[in-house]
Amino acid sequence: AQSVAQPEDQVNVAEGNPLTVKCTYSVSGNPYLFWYVQYPNRGLQFLLKYITGDNLVKGSYGFEAEFNKSQTSFHLKKPSALVSDSALYFCAVRDDTNAGKSTFGDGTTLTVKP
Amino acid sequence: DADVTQTPRNRITKTGKRIMLECSQTKGHDRMYWYRQDPGLGLRLIYYSFDVKDINKGEISDGYSVSRQAQAKFSLSLESAIPNQTALYFCATSDLGTGADTQYFGPGTRLTVL
Repeated sequence: AQSVAQPEDQVNVAEGNPLTVKCTYSVSGNPYLFWYVQYPNRGLQFLLKYITGDNLVKGSYGFEAEFNKSQTSFHLKKPSALVSDSALYFCAVRDDTNAGKSTFGDGTTLTVKP
Repeated sequence: DADVTQTPRNRITKTGKRIMLECSQTKGHDRMYWYRQDPGLGLRLIYYSFDVKDINKGEISDGYSVSRQAQAKFSLSLESAIPNQTALYFCATSDLGTGADTQYFGPGTRLTVL
């Protein structure tokens, strides 16, 4: 079985400060991990993914995520937040032992204040 | 042109009416999905299809049906719409191969049932 959790419904940061959006997962095998972003009145867009290799994954718009196997986490980070980063962020996981569908988290609303 | 398109983008209907939401994709992906999004509830999977002959129920399939007319087309029907089906509906596609099931979303259909 696979599951994913986003423990924070909302994250607030000031513009220019670093941001972190948390994600933890549970899988039987090895995880494929994804982050998606949804801007207001838009569909979800793929940001980045971890399949294998370097634990630090770089994605679109200056975002990165760190895969931590021992902590079963895949937190999304950005060194300096922009007001335009304000959006709803979803983490997703798929277990590599099955060819099934991914499981999405409930989403975290990021608000960046000027 | 957008890779994943949904029609209509907005629809207002009355209780008891039959409604069809359509999704088309030009990405050549075998996998297609229908989700609904309600405020505070994240994404919930309604139905998914891994190829033209494969249809699977998601976590909230009651009151909905789907048709996979071709690899590129996946339609969602509400047989008899009710007000609690008012939501934002998203279609998505994915490729299990190189993308490891990275999902690509359409722009969404906002459905209001009066």
